[in-house]
Amino acid sequence: NAGVTQTPKFQVLKTGQSMTLQCAQDMNHEYMSWYRQDPGMGLRLIHYSVGAGITDQGEVPNGYNVSRSTTEDFPLRLLSAAPSQTSVYFCASSRKTGTAGNTIYFGEGSWLTVV
Amino acid sequence: DAKTTQPTSMDCAEGRAANLPCNHSTISGNEYVYWYRQIHSQGPQYIIHGLKNNETNEMASLIITEDRKSSTLILPHATLRDTAVYYCIPPSGYALNFGKGTSLLVTP
Repeated sequence: NAGVTQTPKFQVLKTGQSMTLQCAQDMNHEYMSWYRQDPGMGLRLIHYSVGAGITDQGEVPNGYNVSRSTTEDFPLRLLSAAPSQTSVYFCASSRKTGTAGNTIYFGEGSWLTVV
Repeated sequence: DAKTTQPTSMDCAEGRAANLPCNHSTISGNEYVYWYRQIHSQGPQYIIHGLKNNETNEMASLIITEDRKSSTLILPHATLRDTAVYYCIPPSGYALNFGKGTSLLVTP
């Protein structure tokens, strides 16, 4: 069972380049989100989506774009990479269960270095 | 959203029980408490969750106080592989607000 799949696992970019981190889930989850984690820090929410066609900003959205054209996929685009975007990126998904809470499943992470 | 408070770090000897506390005094009546952990360089992993009653699964036990203002995650026989950062989080519905969690070090 695949769960949440992220690609690529490792990427080196030059400042100013653009790229897309891919995220796919096969659990038919409504909710998907992107986090970044800097060394020694906790996870910070970048963008999230509550369903196909619906996205919103999290805590640190600047420099990133997202779209959700299908339930399965939630790509994260870096428009013009900056060294400050060097980080580990995690994609996550969960079911829509209302106030009862919902278990969130994470991908294995994408390590991005911007030089 | 409810806020949580956890100790920054804890140590535990291998084979002993690890008891990780969490204060969530502002949690609302219908908010579950979820616990996740993150082993170095990996994505966070779900451990257990609960609302009012104590819960147990193959990974851990969760003890929630009667007033729901705090809880304790118990790893009954900690191993070196349990060394990780443990997060106590009330879910917001679509995403998680991670704090810094508790860094648990299991020593031989």
